[in-house]
Amino acid sequence: EDQVTQSPEALRLQEGESSSLNCSYTVSGLRGLFWYRQDPGKGPEFLFTLYSAGEEKEKERLKATLTKKESFLHITAPKPEDSATYLCAVFKAAGNKLTFGGGTRVLVKP
Amino acid sequence: DTGVSQDPRHKITKRGQNVTFRCDPISEHNRLYWYRQTLGQGPEFLTYFQNEAQLEKSRLLSDRFSAERPKGSFSTLEIQRTEQGDSAMYLCASSLPRQGGTYEQYFGPGTRLTVT
Repeated sequence: EDQVTQSPEALRLQEGESSSLNCSYTVSGLRGLFWYRQDPGKGPEFLFTLYSAGEEKEKERLKATLTKKESFLHITAPKPEDSATYLCAVFKAAGNKLTFGGGTRVLVKP
Repeated sequence: DTGVSQDPRHKITKRGQNVTFRCDPISEHNRLYWYRQTLGQGPEFLTYFQNEAQLEKSRLLSDRFSAERPKGSFSTLEIQRTEQGDSAMYLCASSLPRQGGTYEQYFGPGTRLTVT
């Protein structure tokens, strides 16, 4: 069965303190991996799609990378507005659903 | 384009009552998804439509749940005889397939259901 595991579950950072979030997956026939940001009480907001090992994508202070077994979301010099839950999800070649991990709750303190 | 919209945003109902939620996808997106999210967890897939056809349903979608997408536009999700375990955020997403067979799903704000 497909599994997506995110770590850590929660992360407290000081403003400017860079860190990385991990998303490990066990999926046969991976077509793509998505990263989303979710603020409390809102729907997930799309950030990145990664399709193949070695691929990297960047957006402002966020950088996502992909290997054959895991993905990392690097947050460089975070600001308080980066506080949110970050979700990763996998998309398979067969089927049309996303399988999500449990998320990492990030709190950036000024 | 204002993105995916959902209505209502919040619903409080008593156990045993029926509820219906509506989702309006991004215009021209032919794929529409429903997910359920409980506190502290990632969203879980419920069902998927391509145009008006419901093509996939999760084991999570019991007989009390039914979804429709008439005319391939908006969709409704109905829960009959609600139970306390149905309390969750119900999320709708839409997508448009890209060349190469991959695509991004864009989510609405969700409907928060509380069953008392």
